Amino acid sequence: QSALTQPASVSGSPGQSVTISCTGTSSDVGAYDYVSWYQHHPGKAPKLIIYEVTNRPSKISDRFSASKSGNTASLTISGLQPEDEADYYCNSYTNTTTRVFGSGTKVTVL
Amino acid sequence: QVQLQGSGPGLVKPSQTLSLTCTVSGGSISSGYYYWSWIRQPADKGLEWIGRVSTSGSTEYNPSLKSRITMSVDTSKNHFSLKLKSVTAADTAIYYCARDWGTGTFDLWDQGTLVTVSS
Repeated sequence: QSALTQPASVSGSPGQSVTISCTGTSSDVGAYDYVSWYQHHPGKAPKLIIYEVTNRPSKISDRFSASKSGNTASLTISGLQPEDEADYYCNSYTNTTTRVFGSGTKVTVL
Repeated sequence: QVQLQGSGPGLVKPSQTLSLTCTVSGGSISSGYYYWSWIRQPADKGLEWIGRVSTSGSTEYNPSLKSRITMSVDTSKNHFSLKLKSVTAADTAIYYCARDWGTGTFDLWDQGTLVTVSS
């Protein structure tokens, strides 16, 4: 199975918004509403920030929002803050009951 | 609250078998309808899902690794395990264990175990 496609990097100034795309196929992202997003600061455990396309776990800031259209999911970070600088990964359930991660996006706060 | 802790050798020789265990604390591994997954991250690369095991012992593996993987669970010890055979340098990575809702949602992770394959 191939990794879902994400941009290698995005950047923005504090207070701005950035959007990360996650493109898959009709066998994964397009097939189910089981897309999740993870924030990963190097050296730490990845953190779940979005599940089932649009849902935020408790204690996750509402500055994080997400959506899906067809085979592409998107994560938006609003009001960018220095602590948002991290790697972000999407993940999708697939029609072969496996799971596949995205290639990862490095978010830089300028 | 439930926490995960991975453990195992940090150095494995090429062609040998990598063995890791993830211990669940603060709750029973059998509580709820969860699966238990292994995920890895080679240096300077992205996350890769390795596979998952249920508390009944059923497994699902990444097709690219399937021929080399064995996962198991021991509910009496509240832990689950990964074995990856015939390792090469390409298997050098940080290995994470995680709680899996069964849909690719991983809500709990351990801190990761660095495994280096080298002679």
